[in-house]
Amino acid sequence: SAVISQKPSRDICQRGTSLTIQCQVDSQVTMMFWYRQQPGQSLTLIATANQGSEATYESGFVIDKFPISRPNLTFSTLTVSNMSPEDSSIYLCSFREGGTEAFFGQGTRLTVV
Amino acid sequence: QKEVEQDPGPLSVPEGAIVSLNCTYSNSAFQYFMWYRQYSRKGPELLMYTYSSGNKEDGRFTAQVDKSSKYISLFIRDSQPSDSATYLCAMSEPGTEGYKLSFGAGTTVTVRA
Repeated sequence: SAVISQKPSRDICQRGTSLTIQCQVDSQVTMMFWYRQQPGQSLTLIATANQGSEATYESGFVIDKFPISRPNLTFSTLTVSNMSPEDSSIYLCSFREGGTEAFFGQGTRLTVV
Repeated sequence: QKEVEQDPGPLSVPEGAIVSLNCTYSNSAFQYFMWYRQYSRKGPELLMYTYSSGNKEDGRFTAQVDKSSKYISLFIRDSQPSDSATYLCAMSEPGTEGYKLSFGAGTTVTVRA
């Protein structure tokens, strides 16, 4: 099975700054996904990242706030821009295999102060 | 009303007990049903993946889907302290690779030694 590595695992950031989260997969995957997990709430899909095309964002998430890069089939980044305390959350990347989100990164726990 | 409802717990059971987890949903188009296990400070890992109604067994884990009642369950037999985690249900409609998963909020389980 493929391995997915995500970093940083956690960070504390000042409001107004930006943080880029990286996700590396040890094999080529077509689609990668970025989720947000807030305490006591379900995972919420932010966007789907395909290599060579613009990411597809879900309702409530915009590219200016969450720009995504997908330079190749093994790597993706999510940037949380101009952060506010409301952005404090866990951010997760994932990819599909066998028809579902089979693998998730370990998550990035972000605290904005 | 949320699309997927899951009792957050927490659920505490003695070692060896049967753990029973469930989710209800409102979208009758859901055909694929998943259960994920998430340890503290880790990403979710796929436990069970079932299609349509029926039962699926994998070792100590049994997943049940009752589409007529829009209700899914996960049973853990002979529970172990290592089963202590948050369990997330997820489901999706059939379609192409671009389908979206809907997650429950997760149930936190503690198995006491």
